[in-house]
Amino acid sequence: QKEVEQDPGPLSVPEGAIVSLNCTYSNSAFQYFMWYRQYSRKGPELLMYTYSSGNKEDGRFTAQVDKSSKYISLFIRDSQPSDSATYLCAMSGHSGGSNYKLTFGKGTLLTVNP
Amino acid sequence: DADVTQTPRNRITKTGKRIMLECSQTKGHDRMYWYRQDPGLGLRLIYYSFDVKDINKGEISDGYSVSRQAQAKFSLSLESAIPNQTALYFCATSSSIGTGSNGYTFGSGTRLTVV
Repeated sequence: QKEVEQDPGPLSVPEGAIVSLNCTYSNSAFQYFMWYRQYSRKGPELLMYTYSSGNKEDGRFTAQVDKSSKYISLFIRDSQPSDSATYLCAMSGHSGGSNYKLTFGKGTLLTVNP
Repeated sequence: DADVTQTPRNRITKTGKRIMLECSQTKGHDRMYWYRQDPGLGLRLIYYSFDVKDINKGEISDGYSVSRQAQAKFSLSLESAIPNQTALYFCATSSSIGTGSNGYTFGSGTRLTVV
C-alpha cells in the first residue's frame, strides 16, 4: 500500500461548481498536511497548509484533515477556469518540523469549464 | 528573478551521454531536493541535501548523482543517460527554520528527453 493515495482523475466541472479533492494516507505519524497547485509546465506551488486535524479556510479554498480516518480534503468553492491545474496533496511527520521530506500524492488533474 | 532557477528548461540528449541539470536559489534555504515527475507516477525523490555537507539518496537515486556546490546551488547529473530517464525534473528548497508553513519552493522544471 502506498503511503499516500490520491485519485488522479481527471476531474472536469462547470464554472461555479464546488470541487472536492481527497487523499488518504497510511502513516499515522503524519502531522503536517499541505496542498500544492501545479499549472501546466510549471512547478508546484503551496496552496494550503494544515497542522494536525481540523479545518483551515483561505478565500474560496478549505482544507480539512481527519487524522482518525487518515483522510484529507481540499474544497474549492465557486470554481473558476483559472483553478484548472493539477492538485497534489503532501504530508510529513518528522518531529523536526514540516519540511522534512514531504511525501506527495500523485496529483489530481482538475479542469473547470467556462 | 525566480526564487529557484533551473537550467536548462528543456534538453534533448542521446543515450549514453552525460548531462547535468543545475539549480540555484535565492531563498536562503538550507535544504534542497531533486524530484522527477512522470505521468501516473507523481513526484519521486531522487536526492536531497540538508546542508552543503549532507547529501542523501531518495527513493530512485540509481543512475543519478548530485553535487551541492554551495548553499544556493545543487546540481543533478545523469552519468550515462538512458531513455527511461526521460521526465520532468524539479528542484525544490525548504528551510529548517520556523514552523514549516511555507513548505517547499519549486523551480519551474527541466524537461529532459533522452533519445
